[in-house]
Amino acid sequence: EAQLVESGGGLVKPGGSLRLSCGASGFSFNNAWMSWVRQAPGKGPEWVGRIKAKTHGGTSDYAAPVKGRITISRDDSKNTLYLQLNRLKIEDTALYYCTTEGYFVGHHALDLWGQGTMVTVSS
Amino acid sequence: QSALTQPPSASGSPGQSVAISCTGTSSDVGGYNYVSWYQQHPGKAPKVMIYDVNKRPSGVPDRFSGSKSGNTASLTVSGLQAEDEADYYCTSYAGTNNVLFGGGTKLTVL
Repeated sequence: EAQLVESGGGLVKPGGSLRLSCGASGFSFNNAWMSWVRQAPGKGPEWVGRIKAKTHGGTSDYAAPVKGRITISRDDSKNTLYLQLNRLKIEDTALYYCTTEGYFVGHHALDLWGQGTMVTVSS
Repeated sequence: QSALTQPPSASGSPGQSVAISCTGTSSDVGGYNYVSWYQQHPGKAPKVMIYDVNKRPSGVPDRFSGSKSGNTASLTVSGLQAEDEADYYCTSYAGTNNVLFGGGTKLTVL
């Protein structure tokens, strides 16, 4: 069964950094485009960014609100996706999900989700 | 780019049909046939119900259907059931390698 499991969330002070991880199993991770989506408490989801499969260049794209403060990377040998968050702001407080993008169905559909890892930015 | 526009709430009685709209621009919804719809129950991760405007993943009941006209996409839930009560979100590819979410619609089954 295909599965994504996020980890690394926690409490961090404004201006701090955090690295989230997402372990994948049950599918060919190296062939998958992977995205990060966050959801602030009581709000709707927000796409944060993606990294393409290496067969499509392996490049990353980021949403405007976080561009310059985050880096998405992958280690295909470990079936693991990463999200490095820097210069964190209070408004970055959210549940962070990793997802596949257009792997199982469709174009740009976020088709497999993990359970999420919570990031709280507070002094 | 701004989020896509959805009505904050929708409702219907069991057995009825309800439609939820998702309005964007010619740069996102109107420009690509890459609209998806997600169902989210409280405390759970979103689940894709419709992709590429009107396609259903295996396992999603055919009571769920999608369509698009111009810059507005729609999700229709027919034969409403109690378990359909959830939050629903649309997304669209928005070019420049961006994905936009709608603000979400809370569907209540009366």
